[in-house]
Amino acid sequence: QVQLQESGPGLVKPSQTLSLTCTVSGGSISSGSYYWNWIRQPAGKGLEWIGRIYSSGSTNYNPSLKSRVTISVDTSKNHFSLKLSSVTAADTAVYYCARARGGYCSGGNCYSIWVIGSTYYYYMDVWGKGTTVTVSS
Amino acid sequence: QSVLTQPPSVSVAPGQKVTISCSGGSSNIGNNYVSWYQQLPGAAPKLLIYDNNKRPSGISDRFSGSKSGTSATLGITGLQTGDEADYYCGTWDSSLSTYWVFGGGTKLTVL
Repeated sequence: QVQLQESGPGLVKPSQTLSLTCTVSGGSISSGSYYWNWIRQPAGKGLEWIGRIYSSGSTNYNPSLKSRVTISVDTSKNHFSLKLSSVTAADTAVYYCARARGGYCSGGNCYSIWVIGSTYYYYMDVWGKGTTVTVSS
Repeated sequence: QSVLTQPPSVSVAPGQKVTISCSGGSSNIGNNYVSWYQQLPGAAPKLLIYDNNKRPSGISDRFSGSKSGTSATLGITGLQTGDEADYYCGTWDSSLSTYWVFGGGTKLTVL
């Protein structure tokens, strides 16, 4: 059974870069048609999707964070990583990593490949427990 | 402000049924599949419903999902105190950029 575990510094200074890693156990990050996601949740607030990466290295980011976010994958270490630059107190949150399945659907059939401009199916079926990151001097 | 609108809170008596709505538009719910997530207090989110109305293995049939046009609905029957949680809908948005969006979340209280 696949499990995800987030790791990284719990405290980051303003204007610096937040760096987190999500280690995948119980399965290979490059097997199957899975997408690897980062999501965050400020205390008492809702979930915000940060972005995702496929094992090939293809990425998608939340437009509101795109200029500051980099997600990368290291298949040799079976983990993927998040870097968020120029952080402020507003970036203080619990950060989750999650595995997702997805693809496009057409003519009543769905396929586990991504075709731009299609009808998409996508869902996050395995989540890490989350790690709290505080931005403070 | 999320592009997917959910009621902030709902309260229901034990044993009763509740529906939680998720309203969007043609670029998100109207064109893509919806999933729902349950977040118990202090825990990570958990997948409840995928592809609009499918349940993952191990999820009770008390939970159901549906979609019509640009809105989706999560239904829970036979409410238990253990169902008290935050519930989030989510889907892809294909407006200017293609990205995943969550609803603002609904806090379910079982009185």
